[in-house]
Formats: sequence, structure tokens, C-alpha cells
Amino acid sequence: EVQLVQSGAEVKKPGESLRISCQGSGYGFTYYWINWVRQMPGKGLEWMGRIDPRDSYTNYSPSFQGHVTISADKSITTAYLQWSSLKASDSAMYFCARQVGGHGMDVWGQGTTVTVSS
Amino acid sequence: EIVLTQSPGTLSLSPGERATLSCRASQSFSSNYLAWYQQKPGQAPRLLIYGAFTRATGVPDRFSGSGSGTDFTLTISRLEPEDFAVYYCQQYGSSQWTFGQGTKVEIK
Repeated sequence: EVQLVQSGAEVKKPGESLRISCQGSGYGFTYYWINWVRQMPGKGLEWMGRIDPRDSYTNYSPSFQGHVTISADKSITTAYLQWSSLKASDSAMYFCARQVGGHGMDVWGQGTTVTVSS
Repeated sequence: EIVLTQSPGTLSLSPGERATLSCRASQSFSSNYLAWYQQKPGQAPRLLIYGAFTRATGVPDRFSGSGSGTDFTLTISRLEPEDFAVYYCQQYGSSQWTFGQGTKVEIK
């Protein structure tokens, strides 16, 4: 079964660092880009950026460039989304999703809830 | 960055009716790389349409996509109870991908 499994919910304080993960299985991990999508409470979807697991080439939305880091370790078929200093406004659900070529994002992770509160 | 504007914000319809959702882009983009997603409360989005008109695997044929350039449409020919949800369009034809703000299809 093709799936993306994300790490569990996180509760952090402002200023703390965090890395969440997305592990792919059931398909050739390096053949698909991994995207990260944010959804703030009650709001719409926002594309954050993507990574090519073959060479770790990344492409970020201007809205998120410099605020998060996307990385991947193809040896363990896992992609990551990382913050060095969280803010309360980073509280949201974060989804990973795979994509290839002219296709849309066809497989999604279950989402990771991040709560940042003092 | 390409801005996608979806209309209407909310569509109130009854089961069996036809739903027509619009997505307008601020500029054209490559190869009609436009996708539609369905999202239900508490769930991850689900890919319905990619390449503007190609249905994803397992998507019922009551869902269809059309359009080109800057104007795209998702049509649900006859609404089933499970179709009431929020729908997003997304472009992936530029270096910076973007989503529309969503259209909620609710039961009238």
C-alpha cells in the first residue's frame, strides 16, 4: 500500500525548535517530490514548498522561505519540515503530499498538528 | 506569485443537483497544470482532477474538470451526500505553486 505516514502531534513553546517527519512507503520514494502544505485552524490550504528526494533540491513559497527548512533522507524514505524558532502563528496542521510530473498531489499524509503556546 | 480566486465562496445545493465551481488565475501558467482537491472535516485533502481535466484514480465520473488559460471549472454533475465538502483548486505550472481559497459545497 502506498502511504505517507507523518509524525505525531507536537506542543511547543515559542522560540523552541521542531522537526516533523513524513515517511513514504509502498513506492519508489525518489521518484516523487514531497510537498508540505499548511492549514491554519479553520482556514484554507497553503503550499509551503517541496523537495526532490533524489538530490534534496528544494523550492519554497516566498511566504515560507527563510522561516522553515525542508529536507529529506532517501535512505530511510523520510522527508522533514523544520523550524529553528517557533512562533505562536506557526500553530497549524501540516500535511505532506507526494507529486510527480504533470500530476497533482495524489497521496497525502494524515497531517501533523503543531501547537505553539507559552 | 499566481493568485487563484475561487467562486462562489459557498454553494448551497441539494443532493442530485449540479454543482459548478470556478477557479480564476491572475495569470496563465504552464500546461494547464491545474488540480482540484476535495477536503472533508478532519481529513487530508483528496486529489480529484489534475492537468485541468484528468480524473485521478478512483474518482467517480460525476466529477469533471474543464478550462484553460486562466479560467477553470470543476463540475459535479449530480451531487451525492458524500460530495458535500470544501473544494480547492491548485496550480503547479509555475515555480511557486498556489491554492485557491476554497469553495464550500453545503447541503441546502
